[in-house]
Amino acid sequence: GAGVSQSPSNKVTEKGKDVELRCDPISGHTALYWYRQSLGQGLEFLIYFQGNSAPDKSGLPSDRFSAERTGGSVSTLTIQRTQQEDSAVYLCASSYSPQRKPTDTQYFGPGTRLTVL
Amino acid sequence: GQNIDQPTEMTATEGAIVQINCTYQTSGFNGLFWYQQHAGEAPTFLSYNVLDGLEEKGRFSSFLSRSKGYSYLLLKELQMKDSASYLCAVRSYSGGYQKVTFGTGTKLQVIP
Repeated sequence: GAGVSQSPSNKVTEKGKDVELRCDPISGHTALYWYRQSLGQGLEFLIYFQGNSAPDKSGLPSDRFSAERTGGSVSTLTIQRTQQEDSAVYLCASSYSPQRKPTDTQYFGPGTRLTVL
Repeated sequence: GQNIDQPTEMTATEGAIVQINCTYQTSGFNGLFWYQQHAGEAPTFLSYNVLDGLEEKGRFSSFLSRSKGYSYLLLKELQMKDSASYLCAVRSYSGGYQKVTFGTGTKLQVIP
């Protein structure tokens, strides 16, 4: 079946503009993660959705960042008033994580490369 | 909170064996993952340990000691294509959440 998809694959924007990044998780996966990865760096956790529970937003770096997950499926990460330091690859991952016997193996999308000029 | 430590970089020779260590400190530990990430690509799943001991999968093995907060990934018969970053990730249960946290990764370079 289809894996995790993200769009756009590349986004170039000007400083101060807002951007929206989209993630389509694997159908039936209950958990969805957003990460950020700067060049040569590790994964930086941003936000985590699990089923209908309130999301864990503890990794969002500032109030310019927000995310939604509609209908327990598609998620959108929004960055307002982008800054140059927001330039990075934004990765989305989903996993099948029911309360009982979760596997939690994360399947990653190809990422969106964001460049803020 | 959680703290995951891995070496930043390692170099090994083609055909050799390399061990990549990961130490962690977390409450509510509930499993450890290893992922492989080639440059410019997304991470892909390698292994999962929740009980102490060694899990073997072909050329790759992963070990876990929960009492020591320690894991390692063992790569045998290294091939040039094994040059990649290897990410250790810890799953923990806290405040009603099952959450997975990644380390910063170990960049492995395999040389001829």
